[in-house]
Amino acid sequence: DSGVTQTPKHLITATGQRVTLRCSPRSGDLSVYWYQQSLDQGLQFLIQYYNGEERAKGNILERFSAQQFPDLHSELNLSSLELGDSALYFCASSHGGRAADTQYFGPGTRLTVL
Amino acid sequence: AQKVTQAQTEISVVEKEDVTLDCVYETRDTTYYLFWYKQPPSGELVFLIRRNSFDEQNEISGRYSWNFQKSTSSFNFTITASQVVDSAVYFCALSEPYIGGYQKVTFGTGTKLQVIP
Repeated sequence: DSGVTQTPKHLITATGQRVTLRCSPRSGDLSVYWYQQSLDQGLQFLIQYYNGEERAKGNILERFSAQQFPDLHSELNLSSLELGDSALYFCASSHGGRAADTQYFGPGTRLTVL
Repeated sequence: AQKVTQAQTEISVVEKEDVTLDCVYETRDTTYYLFWYKQPPSGELVFLIRRNSFDEQNEISGRYSWNFQKSTSSFNFTITASQVVDSAVYFCALSEPYIGGYQKVTFGTGTKLQVIP
């Protein structure tokens, strides 16, 4: 158990809908990362937050957004969902968000768009 | 540009055999960090090891060992006397300082290891 929690574990929805994925980092970690893992794209970095502020952006679509709240939990919002958004979404956390930091991953949220 | 290559897509070995998973990386930074993660069939990503670019000492942890060679930009992972529980997808990752010093991590495409009893 990494100490990172993600809810829900599974999510099934329809095209065009909007969903919110939630992540709570390990105790003491200030940085949160979101990743998308799909069969064709592999593990793709989406976005990083540190202590409530966005710090780095990867291959995140404009239909996706995220935020980190004062209690350090983070939410990833996916809107206008398409079939291709079906994937496993991971949240990870690290203490300081620096290159030397190890990221610890949550169990993931499996999103299925029908 | 950052790049991590895991050329072996899938490997099958018989239990108790040794197996080496290859990882080759590209970076322009002199300071960087390399990681290995394991993703068992249950799906979660489990951290295995971190190595910084200034430490080329090989590391052994039980049946696991890692060989870091800067000259060939490789960070290979060997499992000795493999067991069925080692069956998983293994990812190599490269972390570099990004804007403001925050990290940018690039993952390889993973190597699926199947250990046959």
